Amino acid sequence: AQSVTQLDSQVPVFEEAPVELRCNYSSSVSVYLFWYVQYPNQGLQLLLKYLSGSTLVKGINGFEAEFNKSQTSFHLRKPSVHISDTAEYFCAVTTNTDKLIFGTGTRLQVFP
Amino acid sequence: EAGVVQSPRYKIIEKKQPVAFWCNPISGHNTLYWYRQNLGQGPELLIRYENEEAVDDSQLPKDRFSAERLKGVDSTLKIQPAELGDSAVYLCASSKGQGATEAFFGQGTRLTVV
Repeated sequence: AQSVTQLDSQVPVFEEAPVELRCNYSSSVSVYLFWYVQYPNQGLQLLLKYLSGSTLVKGINGFEAEFNKSQTSFHLRKPSVHISDTAEYFCAVTTNTDKLIFGTGTRLQVFP
Repeated sequence: EAGVVQSPRYKIIEKKQPVAFWCNPISGHNTLYWYRQNLGQGPELLIRYENEEAVDDSQLPKDRFSAERLKGVDSTLKIQPAELGDSAVYLCASSKGQGATEAFFGQGTRLTVV
């Protein structure tokens, strides 16, 4: 079975600073990886996904993530954050035959 | 294109009462999911449908929870009777398939059991 670990429950950062949200996964088979964002009282919205090919994946709102198979990681990055990026971010993993499994989330708090 | 629609958005009920949630997935999406999200946690799958068939309901507490997806479109999730620990956000999602296909989420129903 697959699992996902988000190492940081909260990440505070000042506006225009860079940010990295960490995600590690565990699986014995090939996986697909996703990052979702959840704004207050909203559902989840897909930021980006890794299916195959290039390990650097670019998503919406200036976010990108890098798939690292040897370190079983899929960290999310943004070079310069905005106040509007304040939200909960979830990393998720699945396979061809399994369900989508989410991490516990990282709360990104951007301060002016 | 309309997204995944859920209703109601909020529900407050007393314990031991029944409650039902409704979901209308994106047109053409044959896969439908119900997730439960507890406060401060990630979503956890309750049940997954492929068209009308429930293909993964291993995490659904079957003594009090039930779900149906008639005609492979809309779905209803029911709890009877509700317990205090059922307070959570219930999310519905749909996709064209599983695996590499993106799941689109509704805004969720926030259930408070008092």
